[in-house]
Amino acid sequence: DAKTTQPTSMDCAEGRAANLPCNHSTISGNEYVYWYRQIHSQGPQYIIHGLKNNETNEMASLIITEDRKSSTLILPHATLRDTAVYYCIVRVWDMRFGAGTRLTVKP
Amino acid sequence: ETGVTQTPRHLVMGMTNKKSLKCEQHLGHNAMYWYKQSAKKPLELMFVYNFKEQTENNSVPSRFSPECPNSSHLFLHLHTLQPEDSALYLCASSQDPGKHYNEQFFGPGTRLTVL
Repeated sequence: DAKTTQPTSMDCAEGRAANLPCNHSTISGNEYVYWYRQIHSQGPQYIIHGLKNNETNEMASLIITEDRKSSTLILPHATLRDTAVYYCIVRVWDMRFGAGTRLTVKP
Repeated sequence: ETGVTQTPRHLVMGMTNKKSLKCEQHLGHNAMYWYKQSAKKPLELMFVYNFKEQTENNSVPSRFSPECPNSSHLFLHLHTLQPEDSALYLCASSQDPGKHYNEQFFGPGTRLTVL
């Protein structure tokens, strides 16, 4: 499975868009990009996934570069409840979590 | 109940005790997983069960013994644990791990403390 690189932490002002980057330069053609988040001491929560095209759902948008070597998760209007660790995962079949990005949304 | 449930939510045990963690999924999924999350560490995949068959054991010590009697239930039997085994144990399920698209749904976890 491809490995991912994410910043350790990020801050975002409440109400603003949070853009979380992820590098996955060794991704192969059949590997999906997944994003999960984990609020303190809870189980991880699925956010969104994609293969090649940009994706949007009620929680977030996922922008994948044309070469698929990086992606960005966008939370369009961050709230305090979006404070969590965000994991970018590239997988074929099993889910390997890295350290993720700790996003802190500030008032 | 909906989603993935885990019991107990909190467990304190001595090193000589035997206990079991239970996970149940109400999603009709075929695969179930155990993860361990130690303090300030990433989630570590422990075991994978697909259609009740164990398909992965990620070099987990034998003091952790999984059991999957059917596709909806998963147990983790614990015996002679060490204090360093204290962690959050998370269960997850997914429709079919053989597919490239395989969203996992997680339970709330069991916070285990070994004294």
